[in-house]
Amino acid sequence: GENVEQHPSTLSVQEGDSAVIKCTYSDSASNYFPWYKQELGKRPQLIIDIRSNVGEKKDQRIAVTLNKTAKHFSLHITETQPEDSAVYFCAATPLGSNTGKLIFGQGTTLQVKP
Amino acid sequence: DVKVTQSSRYLVKRTGEKVFLECVQDMDHENMFWYRQDPGLGLRLIYFSYDVKMKEKGDIPEGYSVSREKKERFSLILESASTNQTSMYLCASSLSAGSLEQYFGPGTRLTVT
Repeated sequence: GENVEQHPSTLSVQEGDSAVIKCTYSDSASNYFPWYKQELGKRPQLIIDIRSNVGEKKDQRIAVTLNKTAKHFSLHITETQPEDSAVYFCAATPLGSNTGKLIFGQGTTLQVKP
Repeated sequence: DVKVTQSSRYLVKRTGEKVFLECVQDMDHENMFWYRQDPGLGLRLIYFSYDVKMKEKGDIPEGYSVSREKKERFSLILESASTNQTSMYLCASSLSAGSLEQYFGPGTRLTVT
């Protein structure tokens, strides 16, 4: 069935360093790839997304890249700050979905050390 | 501003009890979802609904049912709660199949003893 694998499960970086989280998906028909951030005790919120007709998208310090051939996409955070510490989830649309359904990865806990 | 609310932040129930978790969204969204969140397992889809009275099973529907009688409200029902259903439950909604951003509620931490 449809599957999204996310790595690493935990990531610790020094403030100012870059962080990269990678996801692979199984369904070549997937066409929408969002990233959600969940701060401690709060609800997940969308931070950036990309569609399959685009290879890269940036928003200030965050960027997402998509490699359709290899079926993987990545979140890049540059100049990390302590407030970037959170759990990050990637997701993808499953095959034939016209219902808004998303398949989520297992999550990455990012810790930014001051 | 989209608002998704859940009826309780914390809930403690006994094994065998029937449990209702309610979710309400105020933005006329077509799609609504119920997830459970457990450490290391991410967000796992229990059930979702793409229209009033329409529902589909997600990845882990066993032990759960849902009800969507009105567009704004989506209920998750645990027919007979068990200890392995102790978890964080998150509701979400999205506008339509063409607008996929999901907006999440604050979550309900359910403990079954």
